Amino acid sequence: DAKTTQPTSMDCAEGRAANLPCNHSTISGNEYVYWYRQIHSQGPQYIIHGLKNNETNEMASLIITEDRKSSTLILPHATLRDTAVYYCIVLYGQNFVFGPGTRLSVLP
Amino acid sequence: KAGVTQTPRYLIKTRGQQVTLSCSPISGHRSVSWYQQTPGQGLQFLFEYFSETQRNKGNFPGRFSGRQFSNSRSEMNVSTLELGDSALYLCASSPPLTRWGQALAGELFFGEGSRLTVL
Repeated sequence: DAKTTQPTSMDCAEGRAANLPCNHSTISGNEYVYWYRQIHSQGPQYIIHGLKNNETNEMASLIITEDRKSSTLILPHATLRDTAVYYCIVLYGQNFVFGPGTRLSVLP
Repeated sequence: KAGVTQTPRYLIKTRGQQVTLSCSPISGHRSVSWYQQTPGQGLQFLFEYFSETQRNKGNFPGRFSGRQFSNSRSEMNVSTLELGDSALYLCASSPPLTRWGQALAGELFFGEGSRLTVL
């Protein structure tokens, strides 16, 4: 079973920040949080990952709470092309376990 | 730099047949993993190969098997196909110095997948 829980779906207005939450209350100290997204009919795409510090790259920012029980992926200026399913993953044992993810719809 | 290439992209088989899917990783990547994606079960891990050795295996029956060649290309095989095997099969490769299960294993590069339909 996935170790993360995410909302099933979210909407975001184009040009606004999209904030996607993820709960991982059973995460252990040395497990990283990863985010991927899957645009319809394509393979998943890596976005970002982090341990306990906030991370930022050209695609997104990752905010991890101090107790590491939850995190938020931020797409600062969502575009229509960001419409996708977003997966929050914690490495479970040695395998990536993908949950159902959050279906983000960016609306014009 | 070429991405992960999977062939064939689409195929149709009948129950009881077997199928072989191929995956060419990004040049220099030695780790290749396979996933099955269905509407009901989502993305599920099948197995992972590194340097021609299977390092990890998901919870799938023995009808699902794989192998990796010395050039890091990988194949997966499904024997005695069942209707429930209809799915998108995704291959992913990881860059060098990846140690599965640790932080360096974070970045998987996925192919476009092979869509299998079993009739």
